[in-house]
Amino acid sequence: AQTVTQSQPEMSVQEAETVTLSCTYDTSESDYYLFWYKQPPSRQMILVIRQEAYKQQNATENRFSVNFQKAAKSFSLKISDSQLGDAAMYFCAYRPRYGNKLVFGAGTILRVKS
Amino acid sequence: GAGVSQSPSNKVTEKGKDVELRCDPISGHTALYWYRQSLGQGLEFLIYFQGNSAPDKSGLPSDRFSAERTGGSVSTLTIQRTQQEDSAVYLCASSSRQAGETQYFGPGTRLLVL
Repeated sequence: AQTVTQSQPEMSVQEAETVTLSCTYDTSESDYYLFWYKQPPSRQMILVIRQEAYKQQNATENRFSVNFQKAAKSFSLKISDSQLGDAAMYFCAYRPRYGNKLVFGAGTILRVKS
Repeated sequence: GAGVSQSPSNKVTEKGKDVELRCDPISGHTALYWYRQSLGQGLEFLIYFQGNSAPDKSGLPSDRFSAERTGGSVSTLTIQRTQQEDSAVYLCASSSRQAGETQYFGPGTRLLVL
């Protein structure tokens, strides 16, 4: 069975600084997708970034980038120039290419200090 | 619509009552998913609809839970004879092949069973 592990229940970062959230996963599949979702107090799950396993290049979306290490089954999220609006729960998620359901990690609460 | 919508936003019910939760996916999205987010269990997959195919019900926790999708669009998740352990946030998501099957979520329905 596929599992996703987020080992940091909570992280803090100073505004304008950089923070990295960790995620590891376990799968026997070779082709899959990985995602980071953000969930602010409003409950809305917002897609932050998506990575396709067959692409070696790390995905980037503005201030958000990932470090995808396929052999190590690691998928960390780096947030640069942190802003107060980045404060939220962040979930790492996995889906096999030909599957349908997302498998989520337990989440990391990110606090941003001004 | 512009995004996935869910209603009601919040629902309080008494143990033993039936509840219906509604999800309206993004227009044109053929796939629809239900997830449950609870304190003890994290985010769990419940059910998946794809077009006219038979749904994947593998995540439904008991036979008190059912879901239907009428006309390939709106979906209703029904919980019969609610129990206190059903208290959770119920999230709906939709996806399309054109969007790379990335799942976009609604704001969720918070269910509280007293």
